[in-house]
Amino acid sequence: GAVVSQHPSRVICKSGTSVKIECRSLDFQATTMFWYRQFPKQSLMLMATSNEGSKATYEQGVEKDKFLINHASLTLSTLTVTSAHPEDSSFYICSAMQENQPQHFGDGTRLSIL
Amino acid sequence: SQKIEQNSEALNIQEGKTATLTCNYTNYSPAYLQWYRQDPGRGPVFLLLIRENEKEKRKERLKVTFDTTLKQSLFHITASQPADSATYLCAKALAGGFKTIFGAGTRLFVKA
Repeated sequence: GAVVSQHPSRVICKSGTSVKIECRSLDFQATTMFWYRQFPKQSLMLMATSNEGSKATYEQGVEKDKFLINHASLTLSTLTVTSAHPEDSSFYICSAMQENQPQHFGDGTRLSIL
Repeated sequence: SQKIEQNSEALNIQEGKTATLTCNYTNYSPAYLQWYRQDPGRGPVFLLLIRENEKEKRKERLKVTFDTTLKQSLFHITASQPADSATYLCAKALAGGFKTIFGAGTRLFVKA
């Protein structure tokens, strides 16, 4: 089945650090990748939609300068949390999909900002 | 605004019984609904997709129904096993097809 690899799985860092998270589709070319944030016992909250070679589309309330998304190829998207603060601590999950197919998710990144 | 509602209370059932989870949505009926399984600290795993012209879909011990009149989908696990314990998410595609909104999920506990 479709495999999406997300790295790293866990990050603990100091306030003010920038953190980069990678999302790769390993066995298919993804027309679209998504980045979500999830709080405990809550739904996945879509942050942005990313298409290869174009700028990401951010959801309302998500700061694009805070959460930088780069979609360099059909198999790789990165999310950089710039100058992270404790309130940015969360579980970040990416997904990738081909047109008219279900989304396939990475295993998430647990980000903890001290 | 679009909403997906799933029972926030955990569902506890005995091994071997059938688990039934409910998903209700608002506004328009989507072209399809999806069900995912999520284990603690992991990303969701796709299980089943049911289209609006399909009343029912099955995959092994899983069965999903889609009622556009009630704006509801039911997810059944027959002959449940402790390994089925997880959170199950319902998802609706938004107009245009590729963006999706997710319910908060229902936690299922299957006791041996």
